[in-house]
Amino acid sequence: GQQLNQSPQSMFIQEGEDVSMNCTSSSIFNTWLWYKQDPGEGPVLLIALYKAGELTSNGRLTAQFGITRKDSFLNISASIPSDVGIYFCAGQSISGTYKYIFGTGTRLKVLA
Amino acid sequence: DTEVTQTPKHLVMGMTNKKSLKCEQHMGHRAMYWYKQKAKKPPELMFVYSYEKLSINESVPSRFSPECPNSSLLNLHLHALQPEDSALYLCASSRTGTTETQYFGPGTRLLVL
Repeated sequence: GQQLNQSPQSMFIQEGEDVSMNCTSSSIFNTWLWYKQDPGEGPVLLIALYKAGELTSNGRLTAQFGITRKDSFLNISASIPSDVGIYFCAGQSISGTYKYIFGTGTRLKVLA
Repeated sequence: DTEVTQTPKHLVMGMTNKKSLKCEQHMGHRAMYWYKQKAKKPPELMFVYSYEKLSINESVPSRFSPECPNSSLLNLHLHALQPEDSALYLCASSRTGTTETQYFGPGTRLLVL
């Protein structure tokens, strides 16, 4: 199926560092969701974005809905060991009611 | 409360077995989804139910049979599965499905022998 381009694929960072990841699409989206998934568990919603240009925070996490409506960014500030996991973006296109397209995922590893 | 529950958490079945996965939500959501996820891959949409009617079937083989008995429950009936069907099966729900936030359950880890 269709997937969004998500980068980076994986990253190792030191505890306390800031992290940035992004998703891009060739289509316009009207909703962006960011999830974190631990091994063997379901994705947990982190942030939901509904408007172009919207900037939303959830604790140390900040996400933005790109102005072009074709991209979204997630930043994690002052990373801690429990930030380890896979982060997925998911977008819902204007024409794709009920259908969320997922990014390929960013695997984050935090070195203490 | 944004909880979606799934049972069982783990399931091992033979290729001739018949089993069912169950999903439940009590958030009043009217759209429910089944996804399949292989290791290190994103979830892949299988089915969407909207207001208890099948809205999307992503060309899923007939050995997977979804059922939505009411607005809170979603089942996935499994029959004559293949080893390559082994995966994490995720249920999700959203309020109506149009520009709505989607919440996932913890998943059922399925192993087909």
